[in-house]
Amino acid sequence: SAVISQKPSRDICQRGTSLTIQCQVDSQVTMMFWYRQQPGQSLTLIATANQGSEATYESGFVIDKFPISRPNLTFSTLTVSNMSPEDSSIYLCSVEDTGGGEQYFGPGTRLTVT
Amino acid sequence: DQQVKQNSPSLSVQEGRISILNCDYTNSMFDYFLWYKKYPAEGPTFLISISSIKDKNEDGRFTVFLNKSAKHLSLHIVPSQPGDSAVYFCAAEGPLHADPNDYKLSFGAGTTVTVRA
Repeated sequence: SAVISQKPSRDICQRGTSLTIQCQVDSQVTMMFWYRQQPGQSLTLIATANQGSEATYESGFVIDKFPISRPNLTFSTLTVSNMSPEDSSIYLCSVEDTGGGEQYFGPGTRLTVT
Repeated sequence: DQQVKQNSPSLSVQEGRISILNCDYTNSMFDYFLWYKKYPAEGPTFLISISSIKDKNEDGRFTVFLNKSAKHLSLHIVPSQPGDSAVYFCAAEGPLHADPNDYKLSFGAGTTVTVRA
């Protein structure tokens, strides 16, 4: 399975600022995803990061708030813009194993907004 | 609308005994089911999966059972070990939107398993 790293692993940010989270994979993958796990809740898909085109956002998530880049098949970034305390969450990227449908997750970025 | 539900937020089991985790789903279009395990400060790791054409899949100490008519699946861990203490997420793959080619994973809320020595 792919090895996935994320930066930063955690951050504490002030309200109104933005944070960009990086996701790096050790092999080329077609499908990359960004999830959010709010405290005590399940993983919620934010968007699918498409290489060479705009990301596909899930209901309730918009590009202005969560801009995503996918410049190549091994890297993606998620920006959390104009943050509020409600954005405090763990943000995870994942990639899909084209052979079996399983997704493999990065270690997550724990974001706290004060 | 939560399409995958894990109604037990926690489970405590003695080492060596069986752990049974349950998961229910509402969308009949789901055709592939997965269990993930998550330790604190780490991302979820894939554990075991089952296709909708099967009713059982076994991998070592882990067995997943699928009852399509009841829209229910369960994960059995036997024997349970202290290292199994983690949060377990049930996930289902299938079209969440009108496009039948738009396959995504939908996760349950998780069950925290504690294995007592």
